[in-house]
Amino acid sequence: KAGVTQTPRYLIKTRGQQVTLSCSPISGHRSVSWYQQTPGQGLQFLFEYFSETQRNKGNFPGRFSGRQFSNSRSEMNVSTLELGDSALYLCASSIGTDYEQYFGPGTRLTVT
Amino acid sequence: SQQGEEDPQALSIQEGENATMNCSYKTSINNLQWYRQNSGRGLVHLILIRSNEREKHSGRLRVTLDTSKKSSSLLITASRAADTASYFCATDGYNNAGNMLTFGGGTRLMVKP
Repeated sequence: KAGVTQTPRYLIKTRGQQVTLSCSPISGHRSVSWYQQTPGQGLQFLFEYFSETQRNKGNFPGRFSGRQFSNSRSEMNVSTLELGDSALYLCASSIGTDYEQYFGPGTRLTVT
Repeated sequence: SQQGEEDPQALSIQEGENATMNCSYKTSINNLQWYRQNSGRGLVHLILIRSNEREKHSGRLRVTLDTSKKSSSLLITASRAADTASYFCATDGYNNAGNMLTFGGGTRLMVKP
C-alpha cells in the first residue's frame, strides 16, 4: 500500500497570505489528523477528521481550518499567515480509533 | 501543552550498545505510541502499546508500559548508526472520542559507529 502523501512538500508564503495543504491518507484509512511541529512548541495536534466530520480540535486559532472529502483526502487551510506559522505540518492517517497513526513526510511552510 | 516528558533529552552511545528512553505522561490513556523522526522529516511509527498491555516487542525494540506510574520505556538493543534519530512518545488520551495524540518533547539519539 502507498503511504500517506502530502503536497506540496515545501512552501514559501508572505505574511498575510493564506495557504492550503493537502493530504492523501493510506487507502482504507478514514481518520486523518493534522499536527504542527516547531522547534519551540514541538509537535502539537491541530485537528482530526473522520468520515468528513471534525472529531477533535486542538488549541489553535480559527485561522487554522480543515476539511475532509468523501474519498478521505484532507486539506488544511491557514488564513492571514503569521511569521509564527512557519513550521512542519504533518498529516497522519489511521484505520480507526485506537489504532496506529501513520504519518506523511510533511509540508515545510516558511512564512516571510 | 505536552502530555509526555521524555528522558533523557539527548543520548549518545556507541554502535552495538543498548539505548533506553523513558516517557512519562499525566492523564489516563487508551494507548501509547513510539515514533522515530530523522532530521525534521516525517514520523515513522515504531510500536503501539495499549493501556491493558505491559510489554511489547518488535525486532530490536522493546516497549514497556506502567500505567500505575504513568510511564513507558523504549529499549533499542544492539544499536546501529542508522538508529540515529529523534524518538517521540505520544499518548492517545482515555477521554478522546477519536484520535488525538499528545507528544512528548522527544529524545535525540546519536549512535556513533
